[in-house]
Amino acid sequence: EVQVVESGGGLVQPGGSLRLSCAASGFTFSNYVMNWVRQAPGKGLEWVSGISNSGGSTDHADSVKGRFTISRDNSKNTLYLQMNSLRAEDTAVYYCAKGNTVVRGVIKYYYYYMDVWGKGTTVTVSS
Amino acid sequence: EIVLTQSPGTLSLSPGERATLSCRASQSVSSSYLAWYQQKPGQAPRLLIYGASTRATGIPDRFSGSGSGTDFTLTISRLEPEDFAVYYCQQYGSSPYTFGQGTKLEIK
Repeated sequence: EVQVVESGGGLVQPGGSLRLSCAASGFTFSNYVMNWVRQAPGKGLEWVSGISNSGGSTDHADSVKGRFTISRDNSKNTLYLQMNSLRAEDTAVYYCAKGNTVVRGVIKYYYYYMDVWGKGTTVTVSS
Repeated sequence: EIVLTQSPGTLSLSPGERATLSCRASQSVSSSYLAWYQQKPGQAPRLLIYGASTRATGIPDRFSGSGSGTDFTLTISRLEPEDFAVYYCQQYGSSPYTFGQGTKLEIK
């Protein structure tokens, strides 16, 4: 079964740090881009970060740039989100989500739409 | 950054009716790289449509997507009770890969 499972959420004080993990199984992790998406209480979805299949290219939303870092360990089939300088507005459910790959001939195309989502891990930033 | 605006914010319909949800982009979405997701309370989002019009695996054919450029539509041809949820569009043509604010589809 293809799945991703997040962990590492919790309560943290403003200015603190937290590292989220996402364990992937049931697919060849190194073939797919991966994402973090968050949802504040009662609000919509916000794309947070994305990473290429190799880990060599990353991108972040402006709201977290300079504070959050996405990374991956393909040998462990695990995605990470290091969150520093946390603020109250970072309070949310954080979802790990798998991207997509299409092979046309000898070329692979990587897409950041998300077909597999975890159940999410909750991060609460409060004193 | 591409801003996606979904309308209406809330849509009240009855089972069996047709639902039409709109997603408008602030600039052209390259190669129609637009996806639609469904989210029910307490659950993770579920991919419905990608590439503006291609149904994801296992999605019933009552769901269809259309559009290009800046205007996209999700249509549910005949609403089933399980279709009442919040729907989001997302563009993945250029980073940041933004979502719309969502349309809540509620039972009338």
